[in-house]
Amino acid sequence: DTAVSQTPKYLVTQMGNDKSIKCEQNLGHDTMYWYKQDSKKFLKIMFSYNNKELIINETVPNRFSPKSPDKAHLNLHINSLELGDSAVYFCASSQGQATYEQYFGPGTRLTVT
Amino acid sequence: AQSVTQLGSHVSVSEGALVLLRCNYSSSVPPYLFWYVQYPNQGLQLLLKYTTGATLVKGINGFEAEFKKSETSFHLTKPSAHMSDAAEYFCAVSGGNNRLAFGKGNQVVVIP
Repeated sequence: DTAVSQTPKYLVTQMGNDKSIKCEQNLGHDTMYWYKQDSKKFLKIMFSYNNKELIINETVPNRFSPKSPDKAHLNLHINSLELGDSAVYFCASSQGQATYEQYFGPGTRLTVT
Repeated sequence: AQSVTQLGSHVSVSEGALVLLRCNYSSSVPPYLFWYVQYPNQGLQLLLKYTTGATLVKGINGFEAEFKKSETSFHLTKPSAHMSDAAEYFCAVSGGNNRLAFGKGNQVVVIP
């Protein structure tokens, strides 16, 4: 059983389009995260939800909107995609907040052309 | 805010030789420290963590790390490198603000 899963794994789209990435965890964790990994492998946190409540909202363009319908799911919707949005997006989960280890999904490679 | 410094983006090591990856952290509160490994086209996998207690921490795949408060370090070692250790390694610190701060990573290349 995959602990943290993401769909799709690859996403190729054109500038200006709107797309969504979905994440699900079956670990029973109460906290979920979205990270962006750039071409130099640098990881930057974007958002975090704890029990469906947004607790971290980093300096991210408001074209990015996360949604957590329940503790096991966290989605990321991106409007008006730009070339600079091309990256790998990782979902992660943890029990409790950042003092506890985070479990990562396989990533979604987004390419904007 | 907490931060991590990992020097040397690329680290080459011969098969069978010692693997040493350096991590120095900054935190205003007692830190929780982590090492993660990322294999090509995969997500991050936890190698080991330090929370409290014993300062020498053993992880998976023969890796270990030692927390040294006086040096603000958490270096990762493995006595004998294997070809399967080729990957990206990230050190991370949690400093009590609900965030993990990651270092820039070390790309480990194992030379046969």
